[in-house]
Amino acid sequence: DAMVIQNPRYQVTQFGKPVTLSCSQTLNHNVMYWYQQKSSQAPKLLFHYYDKDFNNEADTPDNFQSRRPNTSFCFLDIRSPGLGDAAMYLCATSSRSGGQETQYFGPGTRLLVL
Amino acid sequence: DQQVKQNSPSLSVQEGRISILNCDYTNSMFDYFLWYKKYPAEGPTFLISISSIKDKNEDGRFTVFLNKSAKHLSLHIVPSQPGDSAVYFCAASDQAGTALIFGKGTTLSVSS
Repeated sequence: DAMVIQNPRYQVTQFGKPVTLSCSQTLNHNVMYWYQQKSSQAPKLLFHYYDKDFNNEADTPDNFQSRRPNTSFCFLDIRSPGLGDAAMYLCATSSRSGGQETQYFGPGTRLLVL
Repeated sequence: DQQVKQNSPSLSVQEGRISILNCDYTNSMFDYFLWYKKYPAEGPTFLISISSIKDKNEDGRFTVFLNKSAKHLSLHIVPSQPGDSAVYFCAASDQAGTALIFGKGTTLSVSS
């Protein structure tokens, strides 16, 4: 089955220690997104890639970076995690950007910062 | 400022009855609306969507209604089943934007 896969499902890191979350997709979609969802809040877009073009949301902290080495994979790097970065991180894909396009989500990675 | 609002944090329904989940939005530029279902420890699963040129879309037990003048949409689940118990998110997008703007979700509990 075509899907969006996220690894690991749970990640524990220490305050200030860099961490990388990964996402892969078998849908062959052009667009990949990273959302952050804190407890009892709505998911919030951090950034997205349209093919190799990176698009950062205006209010995404500099602490968050992303890489997309190929169509199938996308990584979220948190350079110096703070306690406030503990959240669920959701990867999503869509075949194109903008317009009436459905995004398909992975299972998420729950990040805990100690 | 929340552009998509789900004002009911929770809803309890008996099996076999209708579940109605509501969503309001403020941005008149939104032209595509989606409902996602989310189980604990899983990502949102796409359920159903509706374009702003329609006022109703149906898929099996799920129907979404859109009232553009009221900036309101609703998801009807008939008949409700215990397996429908989950958090339901309403989301919206516009032609220019990329992000889906989500509501905070409504937790549906269906009891047998």
